[in-house]
Amino acid sequence: GDSVTQMEGPVTLSEEAFLTINCTYTATGYPSLFWYVQYPGEGLQLLLKATKADDKGSNKGFEATYRKETTSFHLEKGSVQVSDSAVYFCALSGGRGANSKLTFGKGITLSVRP
Amino acid sequence: DAGVIQSPRHEVTEMGQEVTLRCKPISGHNSLFWYRQTMMRGLELLIYFNNNVPIDDSGMPEDRFSAKMPNASFSTLKIQPSEPRDSAVYFCASSSGGNQPQHFGDGTRLSIL
Repeated sequence: GDSVTQMEGPVTLSEEAFLTINCTYTATGYPSLFWYVQYPGEGLQLLLKATKADDKGSNKGFEATYRKETTSFHLEKGSVQVSDSAVYFCALSGGRGANSKLTFGKGITLSVRP
Repeated sequence: DAGVIQSPRHEVTEMGQEVTLRCKPISGHNSLFWYRQTMMRGLELLIYFNNNVPIDDSGMPEDRFSAKMPNASFSTLKIQPSEPRDSAVYFCASSSGGNQPQHFGDGTRLSIL
């Protein structure tokens, strides 16, 4: 079945550092890929998405490119801020038919120090 | 625009009691999902509905858990009887189906004493 693998955490960075969070997936067909972010005490929020190979999703300075050849969707940001401290989840949706069930990775906690 | 609305935000009750969690999805969304999040197990999908019909309940832990969606604007997740190991944050999410993203509520933090 479908699966998502995220790098082990937690990750601690200093403000303005470069961020990469790795995500690889296994899926049949042509899934859509997502990054969700969860701030303390809140639900998950969609950060960005990509629906086909070579698409780049971007939002709030974060970017991720759908790489079919390496089955990856790594999240990057050039300069992190303290306010980026949160848990980040990579996810995929097989999307066949009417079902939009998401398969999530385990999530990774990012802490950014001033 | 109103997002997914969950109630209550917090619930503390004694083991053995019935617990009912409520969710109002975003208007126009036809898929609804219930998740449970714990430190040990992470984010788990319990059940999801499409057009008010349960599609996959394989994540429901046991018969003490039940979920209903009587109409397009309301769903409940019920635990009866509750046990301390049910303590978790329960999220509801909705989407417009297909490969569209899911929108999450703020969750219900449940503590069973």
